[in-house]
Amino acid sequence: NAGVMQNPRHLVRRRGQEARLRCSPMKGHSHVYWYRQLPEEGLKFMVYLQKENIIDESGMPKERFSAEFPKEGPSILRIQQVVRGDSAAYFCASSLLTGDSGNTIYFGEGSWLTVV
Amino acid sequence: GENVGLHLPTLSVQEGDNSIINCAYSNSASDYFIWYKQESGKGPQFIIDIRSNMDKRQGQRVTVLLNKTVKHLSLQIAATQPGDSAVYFCAEKGGTSYGKLTFGQGTILTVHP
Repeated sequence: NAGVMQNPRHLVRRRGQEARLRCSPMKGHSHVYWYRQLPEEGLKFMVYLQKENIIDESGMPKERFSAEFPKEGPSILRIQQVVRGDSAAYFCASSLLTGDSGNTIYFGEGSWLTVV
Repeated sequence: GENVGLHLPTLSVQEGDNSIINCAYSNSASDYFIWYKQESGKGPQFIIDIRSNMDKRQGQRVTVLLNKTVKHLSLQIAATQPGDSAVYFCAEKGGTSYGKLTFGQGTILTVHP
């Protein structure tokens, strides 16, 4: 089951450090999405990317957060100068096409970031 | 609807009973709805989806009902099993053409043997 692969699964960072989260979409999927989940809440959209393009980053905080999906390699969600409020589970998802009705969006197992 | 954070709704059932999990959505322009199951420490797992031009869809042991008039979605699980215990989220997609989903607050389902 070559699903959406995320690493690391768990990451601990001190305040002020950088966190890099990686996501390899399902085979053949070229649409990648990042979501964030705070404890006991649903997932919230952050950013939607296609290869080498950011399509929608309306859910990304304006500062410290960035995302990329290069032509080769995984998608990266980067958080600079982390603060305790960044502690959350970050989920990557992918879809075959645009995610329109009928094109299922599959999620990875998540990366749990803890800022100490 | 929007997440409200703490105090997720809970549903406790006995093994073998049928379960019904409800969800209210807010965007009348949403055209696609999905139910996800999330176990502790794991990612959301796709269960079933439904388009807005349908009012019912059935899968294996699960049925999704959509009432667009009152913007309500439900997930019915037949013969609930202990392995069904998890948090269940509904998600909606608006009229845009990509997978930007809005998640509901989630319901904790506990199945007692």
